[in-house]
Amino acid sequence: DADVTQTPRNRITKTGKRIMLECSQTKGHDRMYWYRQDPGLGLQLIYYSFDVKDINKGEISDGYSVSRQAQAKFSLSLESAIPNQTALYFCATSDDREQETQYFGPGTRLLVL
Amino acid sequence: LAKTTQPISMDSYEGQEVNITCSHNNIATNDYITWYQQFPSQGPRFIIQGYKTKVTNEVASLFIPADRKSSTLSLPRVSLSDTAVYYCLVGSMDSSYKLIFGSGTRLLVRP
Repeated sequence: DADVTQTPRNRITKTGKRIMLECSQTKGHDRMYWYRQDPGLGLQLIYYSFDVKDINKGEISDGYSVSRQAQAKFSLSLESAIPNQTALYFCATSDDREQETQYFGPGTRLLVL
Repeated sequence: LAKTTQPISMDSYEGQEVNITCSHNNIATNDYITWYQQFPSQGPRFIIQGYKTKVTNEVASLFIPADRKSSTLSLPRVSLSDTAVYYCLVGSMDSSYKLIFGSGTRLLVRP
């Protein structure tokens, strides 16, 4: 079984809809991250969480919100989806003792019409 | 956070050694240098990390000069499966640690 899972893997939605992307991990890591990747570009950090009670904004948090329901779960919400949020979204985790090594999920491909 | 500069793309042939250099002129004292590999439609995968001098693992080597303003990822004897995007990142190992990915280097390995 994969250590970091993301659901759904693909999602098509319409402008203005609220959607949630979910991430679960079985690695026992405290740190979790959400990134987006646009075609041909690198990853941009949206939000990150160093533990259940610690959530921080990343480079591009506008239009997004997150919830850390438990150590193993970190959800990303688009409150009112817009077309330029069409992208590939990745969740990642890391251990406090090896912060530079992040383990990524398979990604969620989101299309906003 | 230190900004990194890498070549946009590189071409190589199977069996050759590939060296990808990353510039990070504003690297801070506490910053580490980390390289990731990403295949299309997959999440990045950790390759190697270092602070200074040379680090080697089963996949690659990382060379860091004394001034630490650049680093070079060396991939020995590449194969077609090494075709991917390679990211150089710098980050400090403190309570606010987070990784910032740039655009990366697209490596194409030809037969």
